[in-house]
Amino acid sequence: GQQVMQIPQYQHVQEGEDFTTYCNSSTTLSNIQWYKQRPGGHPVFLIQLVKSGEVKKQKRLTFQFGEAKKNSSLHITATQTTDVGTYFCAGPVFMNRDDKIIFGKGTRLHILP
Amino acid sequence: GAVVSQHPSRVICKSGTSVKIECRSLDFQATTMFWYRQFPKQSLMLMATSNEGSKATYEQGVEKDKFLINHASLTLSTLTVTSAHPEDSSFYICSGRRGSGAPRDTQYFGPGTRLTVL
Repeated sequence: GQQVMQIPQYQHVQEGEDFTTYCNSSTTLSNIQWYKQRPGGHPVFLIQLVKSGEVKKQKRLTFQFGEAKKNSSLHITATQTTDVGTYFCAGPVFMNRDDKIIFGKGTRLHILP
Repeated sequence: GAVVSQHPSRVICKSGTSVKIECRSLDFQATTMFWYRQFPKQSLMLMATSNEGSKATYEQGVEKDKFLINHASLTLSTLTVTSAHPEDSSFYICSGRRGSGAPRDTQYFGPGTRLTVL
């Protein structure tokens, strides 16, 4: 079945360093979404990318959607302690006349002071 | 953004009992609600998809007779874990999706319910 793969699984960075997580799908996606889950919290929607090659920015966060719409990345510039959490990408799957979102395994970001 | 609530936030129960978890969309109508399970340090695993007024669609490996889902209205879905066992202990999260307005696939997540079965 369709898979959404995400790497790395864990990332430790010094505060102020950059961070990137990558997401790959086995099939072309109509869109891709990114979520952030703080420790002990629930996933919070960050952004949705729809167009091939799309790049969107949210302050220090830059999201990209690949030209083939099969991969995506999230880049954080100059990480801060508030960036700690797990970042998930998610893509829609249409199956059995229903569409649903499949999540990647997530990248857990630790910030070293 | 849209708000989804879940109740209870935490529940501890004895093995063999049933537990009901409520998921409500507070300020929008959720034509579709999803139920996920998340084990510690793992990703969200979709359990089932429910559309208002129709039977839920369960993912492979999820027992529909054990995890009863009722999506009675556009703002309420319930998950009942029947005859809970310790291996059912997990973080259960629901999400709601609007039928219009926001990008179709955007989901809004509830705060989750942590279930501990003794």
